[in-house]
Amino acid sequence: DSGVTQTPKHLITATGQRVTLRCSPRSGDLSVYWYQQSLDQGLQFLIQYYNGEERAKGNILERFSAQQFPDLHSELNLSSLELGDSALYFCASSAGGASYNSPLHFGNGTRLTVT
Amino acid sequence: TQLLEQSPQFLSIQEGENLTVYCNSSSVFSSLQWYRQEPGEGPVLLVTVVTGGEVKKLKRLTFQFGDARKDSSLHITAAQPGDTGLYLCAGANYGQNFVFGPGTRLSVLP
Repeated sequence: DSGVTQTPKHLITATGQRVTLRCSPRSGDLSVYWYQQSLDQGLQFLIQYYNGEERAKGNILERFSAQQFPDLHSELNLSSLELGDSALYFCASSAGGASYNSPLHFGNGTRLTVT
Repeated sequence: TQLLEQSPQFLSIQEGENLTVYCNSSSVFSSLQWYRQEPGEGPVLLVTVVTGGEVKKLKRLTFQFGDARKDSSLHITAAQPGDTGLYLCAGANYGQNFVFGPGTRLSVLP
């Protein structure tokens, strides 16, 4: 058990809809990362938060947004969903940022299916 | 954009065989991590290497970080079916984020 909790585990929705994925980081970890994993793209970095502030941004679409709350949990919002957004979405947490070489602790992901 | 390449993409071997998988980049990383991912689960950290030329051993797994901190290898001795999974390398980008390679999917047949 990594200590990172992601909900829901599975999500099936229709094109054009909006969904929210939730992540509770490991106790004591200040950084939260969001990754998208699809069969043909591997693990793609979306965004990182550190102690409530956005720290780094990857290939995150404008239709996607995220935030980290004062209690350090994070939410990833996906809107105007398209078929191509179907993927596994992982949250990971670490004690510090990448500069500290802190290992990433991953949740078990949310499998999003857009129909 | 920093990219990590991994080879081979797929590997199927018999139990007891040895294997090496590679992680390469044209960029320098402050550290490199190896993860293993099993179906339906998130990646799990195996090791972090920080110093160029560093070698770390974890039971039957040997990890090496290249001298120039641009590449790494993972060698598994006497592979077992329990080693089956997706092996991912990830480079730490000097305070920015972690860049993941596409992974090597290993299957060890009994």
